[in-house]
Amino acid sequence: GAGVSQSPSNKVTEKGKDVELRCDPISGHTALYWYRQSLGQGLEFLIYFQGNSAPDKSGLPSDRFSAERTGGSVSTLTIQRTQQEDSAVYLCASSLSPGDPNFNTEAFFGQGTRLTVV
Amino acid sequence: DQQVKQNSPSLSVQEGRISILNCDYTNSMFDYFLWYKKYPAEGPTFLISISSIKDKNEDGRFTVFLNKSAKHLSLHIVPSQPGDSAVYFCAASGVDSNYQLIWGAGTKLIIKP
Repeated sequence: GAGVSQSPSNKVTEKGKDVELRCDPISGHTALYWYRQSLGQGLEFLIYFQGNSAPDKSGLPSDRFSAERTGGSVSTLTIQRTQQEDSAVYLCASSLSPGDPNFNTEAFFGQGTRLTVV
Repeated sequence: DQQVKQNSPSLSVQEGRISILNCDYTNSMFDYFLWYKKYPAEGPTFLISISSIKDKNEDGRFTVFLNKSAKHLSLHIVPSQPGDSAVYFCAASGVDSNYQLIWGAGTKLIIKP
């Protein structure tokens, strides 16, 4: 697609339920990032993918959070047993990678998924 | 350990005046710096960037200055317009992080009419 696509755009879930958030990066972008932004806060890094592997998972806040990426394209962020403090906007971004002839580090963001845990 | 710091959580500037947003970094291996702008309910959008071989990059009303010795960069917006009201994020990357973007916490810019 033309840009980074995230779905759903809004998700309201009950505490304790599992949720899956999806990110469709720009075609050809091998680098993919997940961030979250809580109300009034800055961008919180969650995880970084290079292709299908995740060299940096340091931002995942707990073992309830996991992410995968298949085929070097679509990524899914899963939150198990959601808690109210998980409520935030979850943002996905993608970029080209070193080695790509057109490489620059500019990342393109999706519109985000607003997660509300009630 | 925050490698990229934006020490001002917010900044208020009169319309027509210059807005200066600051960013400090600690990793001397960073060689590429970017500024992003974020409106509420939208994802951040790229604004302007600078590589470490330069000390200034200009694009219309936006200029980014890089001071490598001080590990400091700034974004100047002249003249400031009401539509510039947004949160501005500074980001940096370098070869030792495999060009993973490292982000500042953001500065909320408010342009007063």
